[in-house]
Amino acid sequence: AQSVTQLDSQVPVFEEAPVELRCNYSSSVSVYLFWYVQYPNQGLQLLLKYLSGSTLVKGINGFEAEFNKSQTSFHLRKPSVHISDTAEYFCAVSPLGAAGNKLTFGGGTRVLVKP
Amino acid sequence: NAGVMQNPRHLVRRRGQEARLRCSPMKGHSHVYWYRQLPEEGLKFMVYLQKENIIDESGMPKERFSAEFPKEGPSILRIQQVVRGDSAAYFCASSTTSGATDTQYFGPGTRLTVL
Repeated sequence: AQSVTQLDSQVPVFEEAPVELRCNYSSSVSVYLFWYVQYPNQGLQLLLKYLSGSTLVKGINGFEAEFNKSQTSFHLRKPSVHISDTAEYFCAVSPLGAAGNKLTFGGGTRVLVKP
Repeated sequence: NAGVMQNPRHLVRRRGQEARLRCSPMKGHSHVYWYRQLPEEGLKFMVYLQKENIIDESGMPKERFSAEFPKEGPSILRIQQVVRGDSAAYFCASSTTSGATDTQYFGPGTRLTVL
């Protein structure tokens, strides 16, 4: 079984400042890792994913994340946020080799960008 | 190319009634996942279906909940005899294949309120 912990439930940040959202996971098997964003009253949109290869993954909207296997972490960063980045962000994992791509999500981090 | 469609977007039921939630996957997608998001929580996997088959229903409550994905038409999540604890947002996602390299595209969700 897998579990995902997002250490911050809310992160207030000023416009043009950097932001880091923390994600740690636990799994007895190797996993793929994902970050999704959810804007108010909408479904989830994939920001980026780590499958293999380089541990630094670049996604859409200027976001990037780094996979750290020894620390079982997959933190999301953006060097300069915009008001439009106000949303909820979810980290998720799925186990390698399983039937289907069943995602296990963290509890989410709500980002509020202030002018 | 239309995205994943869910209807209704909002559904109000009284305790004891039935709720039927529909999900039309993206064109060409034959894999559907259902997730539930309780208030202030992350998404939890419920069930994974391919056309006419339930592949993984490990996240479905044992009673009152059922899902189908017929050869023709949308996937249906059915909740019988709803209770207040069923109030949540229900999201479906679809993908072309079952592999993790294949992105899951999420619908806008159905927000169920049980009075």
